[in-house]
Amino acid sequence: SQKIEQNSEALNIQEGKTATLTCNYTNYSPAYLQWYRQDPGRGPVFLLLIRENEKEKRKERLKVTFDTTLKQSLFHITASQPADSATYLCALVSPGNQGGKLIFGQGTELSVKP
Amino acid sequence: EPEVTQTPSHQVTQMGQEVILRCVPISNHLYFYWYRQILGQKVEFLVSFYNNEISEKSEIFDDQFSVERPDGSNFTLKIRSTKLEDSAMYFCASRGWGGVTDTQYFGPGTRLTVL
Repeated sequence: SQKIEQNSEALNIQEGKTATLTCNYTNYSPAYLQWYRQDPGRGPVFLLLIRENEKEKRKERLKVTFDTTLKQSLFHITASQPADSATYLCALVSPGNQGGKLIFGQGTELSVKP
Repeated sequence: EPEVTQTPSHQVTQMGQEVILRCVPISNHLYFYWYRQILGQKVEFLVSFYNNEISEKSEIFDDQFSVERPDGSNFTLKIRSTKLEDSAMYFCASRGWGGVTDTQYFGPGTRLTVL
């Protein structure tokens, strides 16, 4: 069956360090993979999208990699700040799905301590 | 910056009652979605809507659910006879005409509590 797995345990890091979050998927061949941020009681907020033919994407302190051989995406936040504390979701869009339905992982909670 | 809005923020209802959750998508967007998130679980797709009809729906979206875009600005989700297991956060999302890579913008959600 199709699965998307993210680190189930919360990630606790010190301010200034790099946070690395993992998203693994099985039995998908996604055309695109997206990362969202979700704060408690709020809707997901889009951060980055990476296509299957892209290895890496950057935006300010954020970096996403996409390895279709390993079926894995890594999400990095460099120079992390307490304000980065949130749950981070990865989401897939399957190829051929013109409607753009997003399939989400369960999310990884990040806590950045000052 | 334009945003998706949802009302109410919290809806409490008795089992078996009908509820309507309302959303105002971003004004020039063409694709509309409903997702839900049961407490502590992942965000799940319910339905997508384009050109005034459902383009895709999940197994969750059974005959008890319906969507409508009644007036060109609102987008509603109706649950005809609520069950306890319908208790969740319901998120509306919309995206423009830039294809599937276009960002989906999510609303703040409606927390539905079924007693």
